[in-house]
Amino acid sequence: IAGITQAPTSQILAAGRRMTLRCTQDMRHNAMYWYRQDLGLGLRLIHYSNTAGTTGKGEVPDGYSVSRANTDDFPLTLASAVPSQTSVYFCASSDQSADTQYFGPGTRLTVL
Amino acid sequence: GEDVEQSLFLSVREGDSSVINCTYTDSSSTYLYWYKQEPGAGLQLLTYIFSNMDMKQDQRLTVLLNKKDKHLSLRIADTQTGDSAIYFCAERNSGAGSYQLTFGKGTKLSVIP
Repeated sequence: IAGITQAPTSQILAAGRRMTLRCTQDMRHNAMYWYRQDLGLGLRLIHYSNTAGTTGKGEVPDGYSVSRANTDDFPLTLASAVPSQTSVYFCASSDQSADTQYFGPGTRLTVL
Repeated sequence: GEDVEQSLFLSVREGDSSVINCTYTDSSSTYLYWYKQEPGAGLQLLTYIFSNMDMKQDQRLTVLLNKKDKHLSLRIADTQTGDSAIYFCAERNSGAGSYQLTFGKGTKLSVIP
């Protein structure tokens, strides 16, 4: 069982480019999340999805979009990347019965 | 809104006990969590406690919850160099159908050999 996988592991991107970070889980969890982690700021929620077909905005949603076409996948898209989006991005998933969130290994994104 | 506060750094000697503290503001929190993040890795769930419990022990880890003061602590007995990491406290937000967590900024634990 892989758990949660994220791709790519790291990426350097020119400002203005479009980028999609991929996240896949094989635990059949209902809910999925995207966080960004920045030094001194901890983890901040970008977007979430409580179930396939629904999404919601977190604390810092501007400049990001998500979709949840099925249970397993939850891609995060930066339509036009800016340097302030340089960060480490973590995907997570949870099941209501489990009451915990499980995290992927992260994607380190640098926008120049 | 919800807020979770932690001290940023803690340094202990190998073999001593470590105590990492956390305060939170949402009195209706149902679950409180401790996650560990090693360098270059994702967050690993260490333990969690339900809000109607005062204490939970799991091997070297002891979680204490003071719901009146909204204070959570994680004690690591016999701290080892492998325990060096960033530890995040998190609370599960209240609200119907919400599974969201609010995280503290993390406490970096350094273990001195």
